[in-house]
Amino acid sequence: DTEVTQTPKHLVMGMTNKKSLKCEQHMGHRAMYWYKQKAKKPPELMFVYSYEKLSINESVPSRFSPECPNSSLLNLHLHALQPEDSALYLCASKVGRGGNEQYFGPGTRLTVT
Amino acid sequence: EDQVTQSPEALRLQEGESSSLNCSYTVSGLRGLFWYRQDPGKGPEFLFTLYSAGEEKEKERLKATLTKKESFLHITAPKPEDSATYLCAVPQGGSEKLVFGKGTKLTVNP
Repeated sequence: DTEVTQTPKHLVMGMTNKKSLKCEQHMGHRAMYWYKQKAKKPPELMFVYSYEKLSINESVPSRFSPECPNSSLLNLHLHALQPEDSALYLCASKVGRGGNEQYFGPGTRLTVT
Repeated sequence: EDQVTQSPEALRLQEGESSSLNCSYTVSGLRGLFWYRQDPGKGPEFLFTLYSAGEEKEKERLKATLTKKESFLHITAPKPEDSATYLCAVPQGGSEKLVFGKGTKLTVNP
């Protein structure tokens, strides 16, 4: 089973709202990722968690706050977003350190109004 | 600087018309090259990993090959359901990051 699940599938939020995106995998993977993808562009890395510790933050604005409560779960907390943050947010996971392939979830389509 | 370049940007084929997509890469110490398929509004779907020059992998109508400088995704007798954007990516040297190409948008007409 190579499934990564993400909820919700779609999210519309105002600029003053607080919301969270959730990602889950039960493949025993120890590296988890958040990506942002704009139309007709490749995924753009935001955060990497390795063995439940934040290992990479790609200078993402503080209105995005990641959290990794356990090895299977990854959250992205959103607060005071801007309309330009509207995008497809993707979660991915892989086995661990090294060059193994990443498996992506279906994504959350976020619209900020 | 690690780079991945995909060509062409877009490709239109007739059903049954075989072709190839190209992914050229520059990376210090290749630790794998990955091919993904992405349908509009969905997450990338993993297709293949290639690790060393000369390696080939196949799945249905798709075959991926690797040389020291590039990879090809060969599509044999494509069907309309093969229409998607195909992404190529390599791990950035010494990092957990993936360097993606910009993708090739494939359209297969019936």
